Amino acid sequence: EVYLVESGGGLVQPGGSLRLSCAASGFTFSNYEMIWVRQAPGKGLEWVSYINPGGSTIYYTESVKGRFTISRDNAKTSLSLQMNGLTAEDTAVYYCAREAANGYNFDFWGQGTLVTVSS
Amino acid sequence: QSALTQPASVSGSPGQSITISCTGTSSDVGNYNVVSWYQRHPGKAPKLVIYEVSQRPSGVFDRFSGSKSGNAAFLTISGLQAEDEADYYCCSYAGSRVYVFGSGTKVTVI
Repeated sequence: EVYLVESGGGLVQPGGSLRLSCAASGFTFSNYEMIWVRQAPGKGLEWVSYINPGGSTIYYTESVKGRFTISRDNAKTSLSLQMNGLTAEDTAVYYCAREAANGYNFDFWGQGTLVTVSS
Repeated sequence: QSALTQPASVSGSPGQSITISCTGTSSDVGNYNVVSWYQRHPGKAPKLVIYEVSQRPSGVFDRFSGSKSGNAAFLTISGLQAEDEADYYCCSYAGSRVYVFGSGTKVTVI
């Protein structure tokens, strides 16, 4: 069975940093594209970042470019999101999700980890 | 990319049909036949219920169906059941591995 488990969320001050992790199991992680999605309080889902199976192709939503870095360790079946320069607008539940083999949709999601940026 | 527009809430009685709209632009929904829909119960992970506009993943009940017209996509739930009460989000590919999600619709079974 496919499992995605996020960790690393918490309370951080504005300008601070946090590193989120997503532990994957139950599938061949190195074969799949992965994304991060977030949901701010009272808002809808927002796509944050994409990484291809080899880690060589990466995209970000405009609001996090230059501040967030997505990466993956296929040997450890782990996805990461390094978040720097955090602002209150980054407060959200962050989800990792697997892109389906047929592409362009996301067939498995984690339960999410909460990031709160506040002084 | 701006979020796709969905109604904030839709309600229906058990057994009824409801339709949720998802309005985008010619750069996303109107340009790609890769709209997907996700169901999310409180505290749970989102679940894929429709992909590629109208395809149902295995294990998803056939009372869920999807369609698209121009820059808008639609999710219809036929024969509404109590367990369908959840938040629903659409998502469209927008090119260059960029995706845009909808604002979300709360479905209430009354």
